[in-house]
Amino acid sequence: DQQVKQNSPSLSVQEGRISILNCDYTNSMFDYFLWYKKYPAEGPTFLISISSIKDKNEDGRFTVFLNKSAKHLSLHIVPSQPGDSAVYFCAASARTGANNLFFGTGTRLTVIP
Amino acid sequence: DAGVTQSPTHLIKTRGQQVTLRCSPISGHKSVSWYQQVLGQGPQFIFQYYEKEERGRGNFPDRFSARQFPNYSSELNVNALLLGDSALYLCASSSAWGSSYEQYFGPGTRLTVT
Repeated sequence: DQQVKQNSPSLSVQEGRISILNCDYTNSMFDYFLWYKKYPAEGPTFLISISSIKDKNEDGRFTVFLNKSAKHLSLHIVPSQPGDSAVYFCAASARTGANNLFFGTGTRLTVIP
Repeated sequence: DAGVTQSPTHLIKTRGQQVTLRCSPISGHKSVSWYQQVLGQGPQFIFQYYEKEERGRGNFPDRFSARQFPNYSSELNVNALLLGDSALYLCASSSAWGSSYEQYFGPGTRLTVT
């Protein structure tokens, strides 16, 4: 039972444009959400997170939006750079439990120079 | 400072064998978690240890076991290997136990079962 879903396996964007990666979740107990970036032969690297008490969190070129009523979050990258090409994983956890993360299946972002 | 380290990098085993994977957390981190990432999927939670005690367990059979040592390093053991155990095994460390503490991942151990 996939509790965190990333329905787009891949996304291609021109350099300088906006990249929007989407994620949906089903478990209403989730209250902390994270995005990880993964390059080949490396472990996932933490990118940005958001608590359920917020609807937006921004860090430089990266912004995460959370819509709790729709159980949907998105990651915006502006402007996109070729170095952003990687697999992006959405993850969620519930504060009431252990901090084990539930991951989506990932979206491969390709930024075209 | 060194990040999370894992050994070995790659491993090939035969069905029915046993395997031990090792993880050293970031210095000062007391929590270690293990994840399995099958090709084409996201990482799936296996275990979490904090202060040498098991704090969480995912939906994995009893063939999977783990432990954490006094220096906070950890081992993941898998017995009676199946072809389906072929995956990238990721270790993550965090400074404490709780969902607000970010997890930092190692590069993983690629296990191939033939």
